[in-house]
This record gives sequence, structure tokens and C-alpha cells, in this order.
Amino acid sequence: GQQVMQIPQYQHVQEGEDFTTYCNSSTTLSNIQWYKQRPGGHPVFLIQLVKSGEVKKQKRLTFQFGEAKKNSSLHITATQTTDVGTYFCAGPQGGSEKLVFGKGTKLTVNP
Amino acid sequence: GAGVSQTPSNKVTEKGKYVELRCDPISGHTALYWYRQSLGQGPEFLIYFQGTGAADDSGLPNDRFFAVRPEGSVSTLKIQRTERGDSAVYLCASSLNLGVKQFFGPGTRLTVL
Repeated sequence: GQQVMQIPQYQHVQEGEDFTTYCNSSTTLSNIQWYKQRPGGHPVFLIQLVKSGEVKKQKRLTFQFGEAKKNSSLHITATQTTDVGTYFCAGPQGGSEKLVFGKGTKLTVNP
Repeated sequence: GAGVSQTPSNKVTEKGKYVELRCDPISGHTALYWYRQSLGQGPEFLIYFQGTGAADDSGLPNDRFFAVRPEGSVSTLKIQRTERGDSAVYLCASSLNLGVKQFFGPGTRLTVL
């Protein structure tokens, strides 16, 4: 079945440094969604990308969907301690609305 | 308005027992999803409903798991003859329609002793 891989699994940065997480799907995706889960919390929707090559920004966060619609990235500029958490990408499997999540990238920020 | 709510927040049971986990979606959301999340993993899809019907239950691990949504709102995930391997956080999510952003509840942490 479809697999969604994320790298790195863990990332530790100093506050103020940039951070990037990468997501790769084994199949072409109709769209990709990103979620953030704070420690002890539940996933919270960040964004959905639909178009090939799409780039969206939310303040210090930049999301990109690859031209082939098989990969995506999330870049955070000048990390803050509030950015701590696990970032998941997820894509629908086949023609279904069944979302397949990656294992996530756990970000820790040293103040 | 209120978000997705799940009850109980924690459930400890013994191996072999039956459990029911409840999800109250956001009012007006037609789609409802169940996931299971183990430590260090992403949410694993179990089943989703569009209205009252289970549109895709391919993620249910075996026939001990069953879910219903009889009136198109509240959903219950039922697990029979629980096993230790069923221990996880069970997450429910709802969305206005299929294919749009999902709002997750706080989850039910199930521990099978």
C-alpha cells in the first residue's frame, strides 16, 4: 500500500535556527496535509496543498508541494520555543479519503 | 463553538474485556474519522464515515473492532475481547466534508492490562 515517509525523525535546534522536514510518498497524491501535535496533545491541522509546485506561507512557516505531487516540505524560519512538537504530513490513499500519515518529525527547540 | 470531544479520556481494562469509545464531532460535520496512535508513530487510519454509513473501514485491524454512527453525529468505536496490543491512543476527527481539513479530538488513551 501507499507509504508516506518523513525525515528526519528527530530534529533539535537552537532557538532562532531554521528547521526543515521532508515528506515523501510512494504514490502521487491528490493533495497533502500537514498537522502539528504538541507534546501530550492531539494533531492540529496546519495546511493543505493541492496544486503541483504549490508554495504556501503562514508567518514563519513555508510549505511546498513537489512538482510530481509525491513530496512536500515544511520549513520554519527562526524557530521559537512555541514551535516545539511533532509535525506530520498526510496524504489520501488512492481514490479514497483515507489519510495515510507519516511517522512525523519531532522538533525540540533549545531556548 | 465546541470542538471534537471524546470520552472517556482514559480507559484501563483487562485483557478479554469489551470497551466502547465515544466521539462527539463538531456540529454539522458530515465526515468522521477514527485513528489509532501508538507512541512515536503517526495516526493510523481505522475507519471513516460520511453521514451514517461507514465509507471505508479498511483500517480496522480485525473483526474485534467495530464502529457505528447511527444518526450521523456521535460515533462509537467498539472493541471486543481486548488484547494488550490494542493499547494506544484512539483519536477521532471530523471534517465539514470529505477531503478537507480534519479537526481532531483529544483522544482516548486505552490501556489493556
